[in-house]
Amino acid sequence: EPEVTQTPSHQVTQMGQEVILRCVPISNHLYFYWYRQILGQKVEFLVSFYNNEISEKSEIFDDQFSVERPDGSNFTLKIRSTKLEDSAMYFCASRRGDEGTQYFGPGTRLLVL
Amino acid sequence: EDQVTQSPEALRLQEGESSSLNCSYTVSGLRGLFWYRQDPGKGPEFLFTLYSAGEEKEKERLKATLTKKESFLHITAPKPEDSATYLCAVQIYNFNKFYFGSGTKLNVKP
Repeated sequence: EPEVTQTPSHQVTQMGQEVILRCVPISNHLYFYWYRQILGQKVEFLVSFYNNEISEKSEIFDDQFSVERPDGSNFTLKIRSTKLEDSAMYFCASRRGDEGTQYFGPGTRLLVL
Repeated sequence: EDQVTQSPEALRLQEGESSSLNCSYTVSGLRGLFWYRQDPGKGPEFLFTLYSAGEEKEKERLKATLTKKESFLHITAPKPEDSATYLCAVQIYNFNKFYFGSGTKLNVKP
């Protein structure tokens, strides 16, 4: 069964460093998403991406964040200058169509020191 | 402001003791309501999608229902392996974004 994959599973970085989180969505899916979940808190929407551009973004998704689909398979989230409060689990999700089910990856646990 | 609220925050059941989890929403123009199961340290796992009031979906011991203001996830005769956090999320018309509730952490004791 096709699934969303994410790398790395864990990332430790120093405050102020740039990190890139990678996702491979399900191959025939057209809509892509990033979410974050701070430990013990709710899953929070960051950004949605369709047709090679951002379609929605939350207040959390400020100028330090960017997304890219550099080729036909990868979808990346870049955090330019990490802060302590960026420590969280980051989930990628994808879905085939506008009314399709959203499938989540296993997540990347980011720890900023 | 659009809101998704889940209750209770935590629920402890004995194996075989049926119960219901609630997800209430105050959004303008519901496109769809989604139930997920999340195990510790893992990504949400899709369970159900509901689109209109009166709709019901069933899978094994789980049944999801939807009204104009809330959704219920009914768990019949739960087993310890049903222990997890159950999340609900909503999508609004004309917006490609999803709002999640805080989840209900279910613990089923043998």
